[in-house]
Amino acid sequence: EVQLVESGGVVVQPGGSLRLSCAASGFTFDDYTMHWVRQAPGKGLEWVSLISWDGGSTYYADSVKGRFTISRDNSKNSLYLQMNSLRTEDTALYYCAKDAGGGRTQYYFDYWGQGTLVTVSS
Amino acid sequence: EIVLTQSPGTLSLSPGERATLSCRASQSVSSSYLAWYQQKPGQAPRLLIYGASSRATGIPDRFSGSGSGTDFTLTISRLEPEDFAVYYCQQYGSSPQGLTFGGGTKVEIK
Repeated sequence: EVQLVESGGVVVQPGGSLRLSCAASGFTFDDYTMHWVRQAPGKGLEWVSLISWDGGSTYYADSVKGRFTISRDNSKNSLYLQMNSLRTEDTALYYCAKDAGGGRTQYYFDYWGQGTLVTVSS
Repeated sequence: EIVLTQSPGTLSLSPGERATLSCRASQSVSSSYLAWYQQKPGQAPRLLIYGASSRATGIPDRFSGSGSGTDFTLTISRLEPEDFAVYYCQQYGSSPQGLTFGGGTKVEIK
């Protein structure tokens, strides 16, 4: 059974930093591109970032480019999101999501974690 | 960036009725790279449809997707009590940075 478990969400002040983690199990982690998707309270879904199976390619939404860094450790079956220069508009539930493709990125998501809440507030 | 507009914002229907949800793209979505997700309160989204019309694993056949170019539709043939939720479309055909979601349609019990 595929499981994605996010952690690391807390309350942080504007301008602060935070690192989110996602522990994956139930599939061959290093075969898949992985994503972060966020959802502000009461709002819709926003794609944040993706990383290829080997970490060699990363992409970011314009809203987080230059502030967030996605990474992965295939030896630990883990995905990370380093978040710097946080803004109040970054307040959201952050989901780790598995890309549906195996061998080739498909850019849609077949499994999601339950999310970790990041609140940026003074 | 391709903008996806979902309509209506809210759909009020009774169990057993047919639901038709629309997703319109601001530009053509290449090769029907469009997905639909269902999200219930307090839960993560669940993949329903990919490639505009292919059902994901385990999705009941009362859910169907159709469309191409800029106009896509999710149809629920007969609403079951567990189908009342928010539905999002997502396109993924332009570029990695261009992954976008629609604003969602809430299907509520009338």
